[in-house]
Amino acid sequence: ETGVTQSPTHLIKTRGQQVTLRCSSQSGHNTVSWYQQALGQGPQFIFQYYREEENGRGNFPPRFSGLQFPNYSSELNVNALELDDSALYLCASSRMDRTTEAFFGQGTRLTVV
Amino acid sequence: AQSVSQHNHHVILSEAASLELGCNYSYGGTVNLFWYVQYPGQHLQLLLKYFSGDPLVKGIKGFEAEFIKSKFSFNLRKPSVQWSDTAEYFCAGPDRGSTLGRLYFGRGTQLTVWP
Repeated sequence: ETGVTQSPTHLIKTRGQQVTLRCSSQSGHNTVSWYQQALGQGPQFIFQYYREEENGRGNFPPRFSGLQFPNYSSELNVNALELDDSALYLCASSRMDRTTEAFFGQGTRLTVV
Repeated sequence: AQSVSQHNHHVILSEAASLELGCNYSYGGTVNLFWYVQYPGQHLQLLLKYFSGDPLVKGIKGFEAEFIKSKFSFNLRKPSVQWSDTAEYFCAGPDRGSTLGRLYFGRGTQLTVWP
């Protein structure tokens, strides 16, 4: 176990709906990163949160947004869901000082129908 | 742009065979590289990491990797695989100048080990 927990584990949504995924970071970690892992692909960086602000973003449209809370937990929100958003969404926690690697949660499997 | 690439997408081996999975990176400067493993239904786990120093890095479960700067490579090796090593393996490196949470991943290599 990594100490990074994500909820829910599985989710089915309809195209056009909105979804919120949650992540609790490992104790002592102040940074949360979100990744999308499509079937047969490696995880792709969506964005990172540090001090409750977005700290870098990958090549994802604005309908992917996030939040970080004072306890370092985080949410990923996706609006106007598309079929291609079906994927495993991974959360990783780390420290900003680059001294430790990232630890991943078990992921949320999102299916858009 | 920084990138990490993996050569083999699917490797099938018999138990006790030796394993080498290729990984190449394309960026210079300070290099930090990782191998993660994803067992079926489980979260990504760190196998080993290279930050600096000895280019031969030993990880968990008998895995090792060698950082070869001249070849921009960080190949994963194991002398004798077991059925329980069946999993997907990812090579990763951080975005230049970013924290270790912002990683570029290779496409992954699915390893299947037959008993």
